[in-house]
Amino acid sequence: DAGVIQSPRHEVTEMGQEVTLRCKPISGHNSLFWYRQTMMRGLELLIYFNNNVPIDDSGMPEDRFSAKMPNASFSTLKIQPSEPRDSAVYFCASSPLDRGSNQPQHFGDGTRLSIL
Amino acid sequence: RKEVEQDPGPFNVPEGATVAFNCTYSNSASQSFFWYRQDCRKEPKLLMSVYSSGNEDGRFTAQLNRASQYISLLIRDSKLSDSATYLCVVNTNAGKSTFGDGTTLTVKP
Repeated sequence: DAGVIQSPRHEVTEMGQEVTLRCKPISGHNSLFWYRQTMMRGLELLIYFNNNVPIDDSGMPEDRFSAKMPNASFSTLKIQPSEPRDSAVYFCASSPLDRGSNQPQHFGDGTRLSIL
Repeated sequence: RKEVEQDPGPFNVPEGATVAFNCTYSNSASQSFFWYRQDCRKEPKLLMSVYSSGNEDGRFTAQLNRASQYISLLIRDSKLSDSATYLCVVNTNAGKSTFGDGTTLTVKP
């Protein structure tokens, strides 16, 4: 079975450039999560969607960050303009939507982003 | 205070040792609990769910204490391959997961 698929795996770009990270959740999973991980701050939840609708974006650092989920099989996280402090590993995860919240999340391989 | 707190370690133990990690959470309305494992430069992977009655999976035992709001993970007969960072995860009924910062384990020959 295909897991969560993220692209690109690595990205190196200069500050000021627009960065778009992509995620395809596991088929049938209704919840999708975007995380950022750094040594200093650990794993931080940026935003999550249920049934393509953003539920909580309180973790999005600032207006330079935006996320969309146009359909059940695709989501993007965009940074514009990018800054060196955005350098991190960005993970996408998905899970089945369960009102009882008993479902664990499955993570993609992550995108290693370096902003020069 | 963080919503989910873990001792960061590192825990350095010899092969064959038994090691235990604890995790505390602040939201009393938390519904479900998990332990994840993360290897260096890899994504977090589900290790096991944590059930109210406690549960075991081979050398791994997880326990939940709702009254004191903590969960634990016990690893018996440690293997070199157990070396990793172990993340405690707490879900609310809205489906939101909060991850601890992780506890680093190194098992040495």
